[in-house]
Amino acid sequence: GAVVSQHPSWVICKSGTSVKIECRSLDFQATTMFWYRQFPKQSLMLMATSNEGSKATYEQGVEKDKFLINHASLTLSTLTVTSAHPEDSSFYICSARDSTGGPHEQYFGPGTRLTVT
Amino acid sequence: KQEVTQIPAALSVPEGENLVLNCSFTDSAIYNLQWFRQDPGKGLTSLLLIQSSQREQTSGRLNASLDKSSGRSTLYIAASQPGDSATYLCAVPPGGSYIPTFGRGTSLIVHP
Repeated sequence: GAVVSQHPSWVICKSGTSVKIECRSLDFQATTMFWYRQFPKQSLMLMATSNEGSKATYEQGVEKDKFLINHASLTLSTLTVTSAHPEDSSFYICSARDSTGGPHEQYFGPGTRLTVT
Repeated sequence: KQEVTQIPAALSVPEGENLVLNCSFTDSAIYNLQWFRQDPGKGLTSLLLIQSSQREQTSGRLNASLDKSSGRSTLYIAASQPGDSATYLCAVPPGGSYIPTFGRGTSLIVHP
């Protein structure tokens, strides 16, 4: 089946620094990718929709200047958490939708655990 | 807006039991519904995807049903095993969208 990877799988950074997370579709092209965050014992909350070659669409309450998204190719989207603070510590998960269509199934990455100290 | 509710929130059963996990949603004009499994600290594994025109999907010991008119889906796990222990998430997009809204999940523990 379709595979989505994320890098890094976990990262620890100091407050005030920026962290970049990569999401790659390994064996298919994805014009659309999605970024979610998940707090402990909570469900996934959609942060933004990443569109290849255009600006991302952010959900209400998500700061676009803090969570920078770049979708520069059909297989890569990046999420940069700028000036990270401890409250940004969370599990970030990306997903990708196969551009060839089909049943609109989304394929999820393994997630990135961010800890801000 | 889609609201997804999963019941029960947690479940602990002995090995071998047949289980039913429930998912309800408020907007029934959906394209599809998907069930996922999430192990602690891990990403999501897709289990079953049911299209709006389908009533059920089966994969091994898993069977998912969909009743759009009542806004309900059930995930049936037959002959549960300790390896089935995980959180099971139901994901349903609102009408006209393919971006899913997730329920809070059912945390399942199957003990030997």
